[in-house]
Amino acid sequence: DSGVTQTPKHLITATGQRVTLRCSPRSGDLSVYWYQQSLDQGLQFLIQYYNGEERAKGNILERFSAQQFPDLHSELNLSSLELGDSALYFCASSAEGDRIGNTIYFGEGSWLTVV
Amino acid sequence: DAKTTQPNSMESNEEEPVHLPCNHSTISGTDYIHWYRQLPSQGPEYVIHGLTSNVNNRMASLAIAEDRKSSTLILHRATLRDAAVYYCILISNFGNEKLTFGTGTRLTIIP
Repeated sequence: DSGVTQTPKHLITATGQRVTLRCSPRSGDLSVYWYQQSLDQGLQFLIQYYNGEERAKGNILERFSAQQFPDLHSELNLSSLELGDSALYFCASSAEGDRIGNTIYFGEGSWLTVV
Repeated sequence: DAKTTQPNSMESNEEEPVHLPCNHSTISGTDYIHWYRQLPSQGPEYVIHGLTSNVNNRMASLAIAEDRKSSTLILHRATLRDAAVYYCILISNFGNEKLTFGTGTRLTIIP
């Protein structure tokens, strides 16, 4: 158990709909990362938040948005869903500034299927 | 873009040592070398990391070249449970940027 919790674990929705994926980082971790992994593909970095502020942005579509709340949990919002958005979405967290190269801890992922 | 390059796939016999290479020629002085592995349908898990010296833990060993431009993850005695995709990634000690994982090395263990 990495300590990173993601909900829901599985989600099936229709094209054009909107979903929200939730992530609770490890206790005390200030950074949250979101990744997308399509079938048999690598991990695509979407976005990183640190203590509520956006830190880095990757290949995140305009239809997608994220935020990190004061209690440090994060949500990834996916709207106007398309079939191609079907993927495994991972959240990860790390403890900024712990001076050990910031090990990243991943959750188990949220499986999104768009039909 | 990933700052590391790894072979797409490797095979090894069960109970034999496995050496997984990674090239990171543009590594900076503040970058730690991290290895993660991803089992099927699971999130990546931390394996080992190092800065300059070789490192050992219960899962593996990490051998870092003297110029730090390459590293090798060593699994001393591969088991079937070690079959996974192994990622080598650089993580800065001064705040993380776009933490991009490459395609990794898919390790197949032959019984």
